[in-house]
Amino acid sequence: GAGVSQSPRYKVAKRGQDVALRCDPISGHVSLFWYQQALGQGPEFLTYFQNEAQLDKSGLPSDRFFAERPEGSVSTLKIQRTQQEDSAVYLCASSSTGGPSSYNSPLHFGNGTRLTVT
Amino acid sequence: ILNVEQSPQSLHVQEGDSTNFTCSFPSSNFYALHWYRWETAKSPEALFVMTLNGDEKKKGRISATLNTKEGYSYLYIKGSQPEDSATYLCAYIYFGNEKLTFGTGTRLTIIP
Repeated sequence: GAGVSQSPRYKVAKRGQDVALRCDPISGHVSLFWYQQALGQGPEFLTYFQNEAQLDKSGLPSDRFFAERPEGSVSTLKIQRTQQEDSAVYLCASSSTGGPSSYNSPLHFGNGTRLTVT
Repeated sequence: ILNVEQSPQSLHVQEGDSTNFTCSFPSSNFYALHWYRWETAKSPEALFVMTLNGDEKKKGRISATLNTKEGYSYLYIKGSQPEDSATYLCAYIYFGNEKLTFGTGTRLTIIP
């Protein structure tokens, strides 16, 4: 497929469990973003990669959240010791450009992972 | 906190009618405005990226305008069709905070 792929599509975790969410961006896309969308809200920025470098992680809500993109393609968002407030849709998006020119480029989103913490 | 506001939150429109909705954002340090359409069970799809004051963009029956001096953008849909039912999100970037800040969206339902 040519689009951004995210897995799993749905994840139910018990409070305290660790989860890992995967994102396969469009091949060759330089920039990769993670967003969190809570119910009734717009997507909120979590973190940004340019190739393998994590240039901005200011949106990660706590040190339980960790993201990586070790080879500059696939990215994983890990949440440790999940809490109920982590329940949300996690969106991954990629862009063909990097740096300031990426702000003028549309993002290509995946379908998201809906995480429910019980 | 610099917020993006969208109105209305939801909208029901008869098939064939035209409609429009608004995205408001802080006018200082503007860099770019994005519009996305998000259909249920699909991924958000980019409609427009706009950067210049007075910009107007069109894609089929959908068009958008941008006023960076007063901080708003309008999205217009002409002759609504059932496939236009979706949530429409706008997102804004400003210098000094180069990441998209999204509004909460306008949920549009087209009534056949």
